[in-house]
Formats: sequence, C-alpha cells, structure tokens
Amino acid sequence: EVQLLESGGRLIQPGGSLRLSCAASEVTFSNYAFTWVRQAPGKGLEWVASISAIGAPTNYAPSVRGRFTISRDNFRETLYLQMNSLRAEDTALYYCTKGINAYIESAVFDSWGQGTVVTVSS
Amino acid sequence: EIVLTQSPATLSLSPGERASLSCRASHDIGSQLAWYQLEPGQSPRLLIFGATNRATGIPARFSGSGSGTDFILTISSLEPQDFTVYYCHQGSSWPLSFGGGTKVEIK
Repeated sequence: EVQLLESGGRLIQPGGSLRLSCAASEVTFSNYAFTWVRQAPGKGLEWVASISAIGAPTNYAPSVRGRFTISRDNFRETLYLQMNSLRAEDTALYYCTKGINAYIESAVFDSWGQGTVVTVSS
Repeated sequence: EIVLTQSPATLSLSPGERASLSCRASHDIGSQLAWYQLEPGQSPRLLIFGATNRATGIPARFSGSGSGTDFILTISSLEPQDFTVYYCHQGSSWPLSFGGGTKVEIK
C-alpha cells in the first residue's frame, strides 16, 4: 500500500515562508504525478498545485500562483511545496496526493497522506 | 473556471436505504469527474473516477453515473461507515475544482 507522509506544517506569521515535504514509500515515485490539496477549517477540499512525473509541467490554483512552488526529488522520492508570502487564508490541512499516472492532466488522486497543518496567524 | 455544485448539502437517510448524491458542472466536463469520501480523522478516499469507474477496493454498492454536466453518486444500500462527507472533483480543465460536498447523515 502506498504511504505518503507529509511534514513541515506549523504556526507561522503572515508574510512568512514555509516548505512542506511529502515522503513516499511503497510506490515507484518517479512514475507518477503528484498534487497538493488543502482543506481550510470547516471548509471543503481545494486543489493547490500539481506536478508531472518528470517535474514539468506544473500547474497552480490562481489563489497561490506566484507565491507557491511545487517541486519533487525523484531520487529522494519526496514531493515539496514551497510557500511564500503566506496569508491567513492559506491556513489549512495540506494533503499530498498521488495521481493515477505520470500526467497532471489525468487529475485523479488515488492515494492521500494524512496531511500536515499550516496555521498562518500573528 | 468550472464550478461544481453538489446537492443536497445534507442527506438524511437510514442504514439500508439508497443514497443519490448529485454533482452539477457549470460547463461540459465530459466524463472527467471523480468522487471522494472523507471520513472524520481520515484521509480522503477515491471512490469513482472517469464518472463511472470504481476505484480499486471500493465496494460494489458505490456506483457513479452521468456525463457532460450532470453526475450522480449512488450508494445502493447504506452501511454505517458510509455516513460521512462526499466530494466530487473535475479534472477536465484548469484550475481543477471540487464541489462543496454532501454530508450523508443518519436519520
């Protein structure tokens, strides 16, 4: 069974930066696209960013474009989300998700981590 | 941007009853629709992809139908563990989007 373990979430002040990580196991990491999805407190799911198996292309939600960067290290089998210029509305549980193939266009997420909590507040 | 509208927001049913959850897209998305289940304290689980295809390990009581703009998730006979929240998701065009969710609660 695929294991996805997110880390890096914490309390941070508005305007700050944070990097989330997602370590994958029991999967051939380099064969699949990955995506970050978030859920704000009391709200629904929101797509954040996606990256293909080889690292490009990538795509971002309008709400985070220009502030967040998704990347991956296929040797370390780890997905990242660099978050800059954080805002209160970025407060959420951030999930790492695995796609069903190498392409971000397929946009189906068949494995999810437990999530890591980011709280943006002064 | 494609907006997904789920209805009803809350569905009150008894165990053993049939549940029908609706997801309507603001534009034609073909069959690029998935359904996820989110239980409290758990990670979301993929139930249906491509509008009608059950994901690996998903019980046969879950089924999906529809194409274009109107989609239905059907749970043929509700089990106790099915009383939770369900989201639809479109992968037809960017930005990707989720519906607002339907909560299935015990009547």
